[in-house]
Amino acid sequence: AAGVIQSPRHLIKEKRETATLKCYPIPRHDTVYWYQQGPGQDPQFLISFYEKMQSDKGSIPDRFSAQQFSDYHSELNMSSLELGDSALYFCASSLETTETQYFGPGTRLLVL
Amino acid sequence: AQTVTQSQPEMSVQEAETVTLSCTYDTSESDYYLFWYKQPPSRQMILVIRQEAYKQQNATENRFSVNFQKAAKSFSLKISDSQLGDAAMYFCAYRSESGGSNYKLTFGKGTLLTVNP
Repeated sequence: AAGVIQSPRHLIKEKRETATLKCYPIPRHDTVYWYQQGPGQDPQFLISFYEKMQSDKGSIPDRFSAQQFSDYHSELNMSSLELGDSALYFCASSLETTETQYFGPGTRLLVL
Repeated sequence: AQTVTQSQPEMSVQEAETVTLSCTYDTSESDYYLFWYKQPPSRQMILVIRQEAYKQQNATENRFSVNFQKAAKSFSLKISDSQLGDAAMYFCAYRSESGGSNYKLTFGKGTLLTVNP
């Protein structure tokens, strides 16, 4: 069965640079969630989209923005990167907001 | 706000034996979902099992089963006939079902399970 696809899988950036993470949900899934997992921590919710509209917002820094496109893929844009942004970023998708969330493999971001 | 507590940072079990991981949660809602996710060394988040709060029957998926005690706000995971591949970090997660747009997952801190051969 098709799974959630995230790209890139690994990303190395310098401080103050910009990064763009992409997420391709499971086919027919219309809801996307973004989570951030720091080293040794549990995943923390950042933001979600349902039918291309932002549906919920968590502890997402103002330096980050995201959107969901007409084909339901989503992008997380991160600017003015800081060392503390180094983490594993997960995208999850579900069919409508009430269904189980299935996670992608994550993007490992390292900020130097 | 909902909170999820996993009181066992680490657990170990012998291969082929049974282990139970604990999870408690705090909520004022009556409708919600509970999940167990497994995160192996690859760090992929894999759904293990889910439980709807309105269902009294405990969910079961092959060797994995839960003990859901709604009044006690407890949701433990039992792994039977443990296998080496079960070694992973296990996260308990809560999701509201009370309407609006708050469908994010709230995770516990995780329990690291070691399986000894």
